[in-house]
Amino acid sequence: SQTIHQWPATLVQPVGSPLSLECTVEGTSNPNLYWYRQAAGRGLQLLFYSVGIGQISSEVPQNLSASRPQDRQFILSSKKLLLSDSGFYLCAWSSGGQYNEQFFGPGTRLTVL
Amino acid sequence: QKEVEQDPGPLSVPEGAIVSLNCTYSNSAFQYFMWYRQYSRKGPELLMYTYSSGNKEDGRFTAQVDKSSKYISLFIRDSQPSDSATYLCAMSGGNQFYFGTGTSLTVIP
Repeated sequence: SQTIHQWPATLVQPVGSPLSLECTVEGTSNPNLYWYRQAAGRGLQLLFYSVGIGQISSEVPQNLSASRPQDRQFILSSKKLLLSDSGFYLCAWSSGGQYNEQFFGPGTRLTVL
Repeated sequence: QKEVEQDPGPLSVPEGAIVSLNCTYSNSAFQYFMWYRQYSRKGPELLMYTYSSGNKEDGRFTAQVDKSSKYISLFIRDSQPSDSATYLCAMSGGNQFYFGTGTSLTVIP
């Protein structure tokens, strides 16, 4: 069966510090991978998606970036965090077509102070 | 007009009640319809996945799709306190994938 991992689970960072969140998927190959942000009481905002190694599409221009160094690894980064980057970050994967059902990881709660 | 509209609630019901959660959409290209359940501070989990109009039942949960009205529903029978969560609808098709903003449900024992 497929499993998706995210770490860390929680993170408190000062404004201006760098960020690296990691997501890995097990039990499937060549998945589509997604990064979402969910602000308190808000819906899911798609940040990045990837259909293959090194292939990243950005949905929202911002100070975040994503990379996919391996088939089942997806990394979300920032060089300098802003207060507005606080939120719940979710990684998801899907198989087959890009618009198939998505399966989510447990999430990372980021607080920028 | 938003692609997907979902009443945020909150919705509060007594244990054992039948719950109806709904979403409307505007894009007739949507063909796949999903419901996710998200507990507080957890990632969403896929609850139901349907294609085309009609009903799909899984235990206490029934997903209903009415493409002519662009309306989807999730019914929960004999609701339990463990059903307390936020429910998000999602739909895809025509090279697009959208989530609703979620409805917060509390089932009171």
